[in-house]
Amino acid sequence: ILNVEQSPQSLHVQEGDSTNFTCSFPSSNFYALHWYRWETAKSPEALFVMTLNGDEKKKGRISATLNTKEGYSYLYIKGSQPEDSATYLCAFNEGGKLIFGQGTELSVKP
Amino acid sequence: DTGVSQDPRHKITKRGQNVTFRCDPISEHNRLYWYRQTLGQGPEFLTYFQNEAQLEKSRLLSDRFSAERPKGSFSTLEIQRTEQGDSAMYLCASSLLLGTVRDEQFFGPGTRLTVL
Repeated sequence: ILNVEQSPQSLHVQEGDSTNFTCSFPSSNFYALHWYRWETAKSPEALFVMTLNGDEKKKGRISATLNTKEGYSYLYIKGSQPEDSATYLCAFNEGGKLIFGQGTELSVKP
Repeated sequence: DTGVSQDPRHKITKRGQNVTFRCDPISEHNRLYWYRQTLGQGPEFLTYFQNEAQLEKSRLLSDRFSAERPKGSFSTLEIQRTEQGDSAMYLCASSLLLGTVRDEQFFGPGTRLTVL
């Protein structure tokens, strides 16, 4: 059974703090790794699709790195803002279908 | 709005009743996926279609669940004889298969099912 793990499960930070989350996945048969941001009552929003070992991607204050050999990806948020409060999901792409981790719930206090 | 839409957004039903959900994908997308998310967990894959063909079904999908995508456009997910354990958020996603690894999936807002 393919397992995708995320840590921490939840994180509470102050506005302006920088944060990072971890996603670990099987290092064999890698296809792609997806990151999503999911706010309550909204659709999960695609952040990044990462495909190559050593990939680094950036979108505003959010960036992500990928290590397929050791099976992990990091998501960084620089200078967290209250609007960054959401659940961050990573998903391992197994030939099209996504296998999700349980998510990291981020709460940013003003 | 050209995103993925789902209907209804919320459904409350009594145990034993049948329910049907609809998903309208992004118009040019040829792949359509169904996932289910329960409290405290990430979404779990249920099934997916390429055009009108159902290519894979999860072991999680019991015989009470059936999904269709009759013309390769919208899809329906039906649950027969609902059980309390079926209470969850049902998410639909679509993607355009380009023949690359990218396959970015775009999600709808989900249908929240509560079985009493």
